[in-house]
Amino acid sequence: EAQVTQNPRYLITVTGKKLTVTCSQNMNHEYMSWYRQDPGLGLRQIYYSMNVEVTDKGDVPEGYKVSRKEKRNFPLILESPSPNQTSLYFCASSQLGTSGINEQFFGPGTRLTVL
Amino acid sequence: GNSVTQMEGPVTLSEEAFLTINCTYTATGYPSLFWYVQYPGEGLQLLLKATKADDKGSNKGFEATYRKETTSFHLEKGSVQVSDSAVYFCALRYNFNKFYFGSGTKLNVKP
Repeated sequence: EAQVTQNPRYLITVTGKKLTVTCSQNMNHEYMSWYRQDPGLGLRQIYYSMNVEVTDKGDVPEGYKVSRKEKRNFPLILESPSPNQTSLYFCASSQLGTSGINEQFFGPGTRLTVL
Repeated sequence: GNSVTQMEGPVTLSEEAFLTINCTYTATGYPSLFWYVQYPGEGLQLLLKATKADDKGSNKGFEATYRKETTSFHLEKGSVQVSDSAVYFCALRYNFNKFYFGSGTKLNVKP
């Protein structure tokens, strides 16, 4: 089954404790992206990757890191989480079309709480 | 900068009513426009898209037309069902690979 998986689905942590949220897709997609979803703000793009070893900042990259060492995986790293990073996080992937990214496939989400 | 503005919800309708969810955007150049739907507890799914002015995207009875003159991409459906209850997000794609989403509009359809 074609899918994007995220782990963990739920995480409660404390300020300053490094964490990683994993994202994996089995569709051989070149493009992957991370978003955070907050009430009243919709989804905001954190980082995206056009291919292995190619990453770039989205709209809200501060406090986050990413890496793309393999095509299927795109982990999101919070080196020193803070309470304002409490949010619902989505990973997405897509094929690269000749005219750009079209349909993104989203994972189920990771709800992160930073105390 | 680039942004997407959606009408605030929730929108509550009776089954078989007509639906309109307004979406306007601000962008330089020629963005592509999308509507995504999110069912409770799930990730977003693409509903429809339009890549250039005057294009009409349609899927599952929903449709939206890319209006460059009014910078709008309103979502419509002639007769909603209870199963259409979800949160709907308007989005634009800028510069090939960056995305901007609206804040989402929750739709409740009552039997």
